[in-house]
Amino acid sequence: GIQVEQSPPDLILQEGANSTLRCNFSDSVNNLQWFHQNPWGQLINLFYIPSGTKQNGRLSATTVATERYSLLYISSSQTTDSGVYFCAVPAGRGGYNKLIFGAGTRLAVHP
Amino acid sequence: NAGVTQTPKFQVLKTGQSMTLQCAQDMNHEYMSWYRQDPGMGLRLIHYSVGAGITDQGEVPNGYNVSRSTTEDFPLRLLSAAPSQTSVYFCASSYRTTEGVLTFGAGSRLTVL
Repeated sequence: GIQVEQSPPDLILQEGANSTLRCNFSDSVNNLQWFHQNPWGQLINLFYIPSGTKQNGRLSATTVATERYSLLYISSSQTTDSGVYFCAVPAGRGGYNKLIFGAGTRLAVHP
Repeated sequence: NAGVTQTPKFQVLKTGQSMTLQCAQDMNHEYMSWYRQDPGMGLRLIHYSVGAGITDQGEVPNGYNVSRSTTEDFPLRLLSAAPSQTSVYFCASSYRTTEGVLTFGAGSRLTVL
């Protein structure tokens, strides 16, 4: 099945710093989603981005489907950005919305 | 809109006991699914459903049963709990079955002694 790898596994930032999180996947996909899991465990969808670039405030994401990777950019990080960031892609081409998750990047932003 | 509602939030079971985790959504979503999350790992798909009366297995289905009698509800049943089923369980749904933003419930933390 499709493999999803995220890097780095852990990231520590000072408030105000910028960062880039990477997601590599082993097969072509028609759907890629980024999620943030806050320290209380809640999973929030950040982006639905099968290709191209999207921006939402200080966060932006780019997916290059032909090269099988996606990047999540966090600018001017804040302590509230702390948590785990997951990317997820469908388990099979043209199938259902059965997302396979990467192991995540754990981000800690210190004041 | 309540979104995706999971109950209970916490549960402790003894080995061999049975229980049902409830999941309900009020967004008229066709697709619903259950994931489990273990420490240091991502989420793994247990079962999913593409509409009332239609369910199928995900990556880790053993020890779990599901049914979907209505569009709104998708309960997850543990028939004979084992310590290996200690985990945090998440229900998620999307409007379309083949694509679309996946919306998660708040999670249910289960401990099996």
